[in-house]
Amino acid sequence: DGGITQSPKYLFRKEGQNVTLSCEQNLNHDAMYWYRQDPGQGLRLIYYSQIVNDFQKGDIAEGYSVSREKKESFPLTVTSAQKNPTAFYLCASSTEGTSQPQHFGDGTRLSIL
Amino acid sequence: GENVEQHPSTLSVQEGDSAVIKCTYSDSASNYFPWYKQELGKRPQLIIDIRSNVGEKKDQRIAVTLNKTAKHFSLHITETQPEDSAVYFCAASSGAGGTSYGKLTFGQGTILTVHP
Repeated sequence: DGGITQSPKYLFRKEGQNVTLSCEQNLNHDAMYWYRQDPGQGLRLIYYSQIVNDFQKGDIAEGYSVSREKKESFPLTVTSAQKNPTAFYLCASSTEGTSQPQHFGDGTRLSIL
Repeated sequence: GENVEQHPSTLSVQEGDSAVIKCTYSDSASNYFPWYKQELGKRPQLIIDIRSNVGEKKDQRIAVTLNKTAKHFSLHITETQPEDSAVYFCAASSGAGGTSYGKLTFGQGTILTVHP
């Protein structure tokens, strides 16, 4: 069954700690995306990647880092530089084309300890 | 960059009534407009989308209209049911950095409540 898997579902971060959110897809999609969702707000783009070993900053990249070593995987690291990391993080993927739908994972909810 | 405004932020209707959510966008190069439904704590799910070469699209009780000249698009839900209660997001997509991949900009969301 094809889809996008995010893990963990819940994650807690201590002060000064980096944490990594996992995103794996078996849809054979080239493009992958990370979004942040805060309560009562829409989704904001953190980073996106269109091809292996390449990625670009989105609208709110500060305090985050990503890698794209494999087509199936696009992990997001929330660094200690991100002072307000509490949010719901969503990963998405799509095929090539500016009018192709993005498919989302179930999300990771990150909280500060 | 693209800016998407969505209204209203909350919408309450009686079961069986229609619901309309409106979005405006700023980038005339945007060519794809999806609508997502998100239930509490769940993933956004695509419910309908429209491309810039089409003015209207319908799927059972859901329809979307697009006015490219005015840069606005709307979601119409007819015969609403309690299970339609959720947050609805509109989005607009144009090429990411001039590439062939879409970069979505989302509206702020509309909380739809359908009362039995």
